[in-house]
Amino acid sequence: DTEVTQTPKHLVMGMTNKKSLKCEQHMGHRAMYWYKQKAKKPPELMFVYSYEKLSINESVPSRFSPECPNSSLLNLHLHALQPEDSALYLCASSQVVPDRQDNTEAFFGQGTRLTVV
Amino acid sequence: AQTVTQSQPEMSVQEAETVTLSCTYDTSESNYYLFWYKQPPSRQMILVIRQEAYKQQNATENRFSVNFQKAAKSFSLKISDSQLGDTAMYFCAFMKPWSGMGAQKLVFGQGTRLTINP
Repeated sequence: DTEVTQTPKHLVMGMTNKKSLKCEQHMGHRAMYWYKQKAKKPPELMFVYSYEKLSINESVPSRFSPECPNSSLLNLHLHALQPEDSALYLCASSQVVPDRQDNTEAFFGQGTRLTVV
Repeated sequence: AQTVTQSQPEMSVQEAETVTLSCTYDTSESNYYLFWYKQPPSRQMILVIRQEAYKQQNATENRFSVNFQKAAKSFSLKISDSQLGDTAMYFCAFMKPWSGMGAQKLVFGQGTRLTINP
């Protein structure tokens, strides 16, 4: 199984709503990532978890709150978002310490298309 | 900080032609990983090919090959016998090796939108 599964695929939320994005992988990867991608732009890193601990936070506003409840799951909790937060949110996973070159790959999910109204 | 530059925002070729996408990067590291990822309209990022910097031999995967020039910090992607299914956004990406401080992040270039015409 080389899949990273993200739910939901599409989400429309109001600026006062609270919602969560979910990401799941069963490849035994201990690094999981959240990226934000605007149209026609590259993915921008938001958060990295290594062994279920937050290791990188790229100065993301507190209205985005990540959570890694176990080694297979990654959540992104959303609260009081702004219209400019509308984007594709991508989850990825990888080995923390690649033991050979073909273990360096990051696997990506299909993303959640988020629209804030 | 590492930077990745893709100087071709868009390219378009006819089916069966060969096309080369350019990528340059800046780093002070001596060992690192380089990747080409493809993102079709389905949105999922898919690994096309990878290269480890200490390996001088250029990586190949079927119709995809790279020209890795370490001294010039250049990592171009060649697609031979292009197919309609190759139409996608292509991102060049850089990753430092593991340093003992947890997972490393991918640094992406701005992307090249490639269209294969019938």
